[in-house]
Amino acid sequence: DAGVTQSPTHLIKTRGQQVTLRCSPKSGHDTVSWYQQALGQGPQFIFQYYEEEERQRGNFPDRFSGHQFPNYSSELNVNALLLGDSALYLCASSLAQDGGNTIYFGEGSWLTVV
Amino acid sequence: AQSVTQPDIHITVSEGASLELRCNYSYGATPYLFWYVQSPGQGLQLLLKYFSGDTLVQGIKGFEAEFKRSQSSFNLRKPSVHWSDAAEYFCAVAPSGNTGKLIFGQGTTLQVKP
Repeated sequence: DAGVTQSPTHLIKTRGQQVTLRCSPKSGHDTVSWYQQALGQGPQFIFQYYEEEERQRGNFPDRFSGHQFPNYSSELNVNALLLGDSALYLCASSLAQDGGNTIYFGEGSWLTVV
Repeated sequence: AQSVTQPDIHITVSEGASLELRCNYSYGATPYLFWYVQSPGQGLQLLLKYFSGDTLVQGIKGFEAEFKRSQSSFNLRKPSVHWSDAAEYFCAVAPSGNTGKLIFGQGTTLQVKP
């Protein structure tokens, strides 16, 4: 049973570019959340998707957007990249039916903006 | 606003010694509480969680944590540390019934001396 998988694992982008990160939730999970973890910091909640809609959002600008597909997989898009967007982006999946009691994290996508 | 404080940024203990990592939270009601561990370059692994009931929670890898409502604390303990426990530890909280949006502390780096 595959856990949460994320791609790509590492990528380098230039300021002003756009990036798309992908996440496949653990089998059976229907809710996906995204977190940004800057170096030396704890993860910060970006947003959560359930039933293909954004349900909750953290304190991130509109440059950060997402999507959830019918198979529950999700994408995180960041436009107009800034140097400060360099971070580890973590995807977490859970099952809404059990109140999200069990959350699984992927190993993340390392984004470097130069 | 909800917040999590991990007062110790870095802790060094000798192998075989006991360990306690501190976590204090600020939240109006009793939140859901979590401890995660992150090894270098890896995602987050759940050590244990508290939702309700017995305030002493057992987790994986020999860890336990105690919820103290009066002190708004959820400290992580281990009686005997192993070299493989060296990692970053994060305390996190979520509003009851809404684990989609975890709020993380800044983390505590644990170094284990031989």
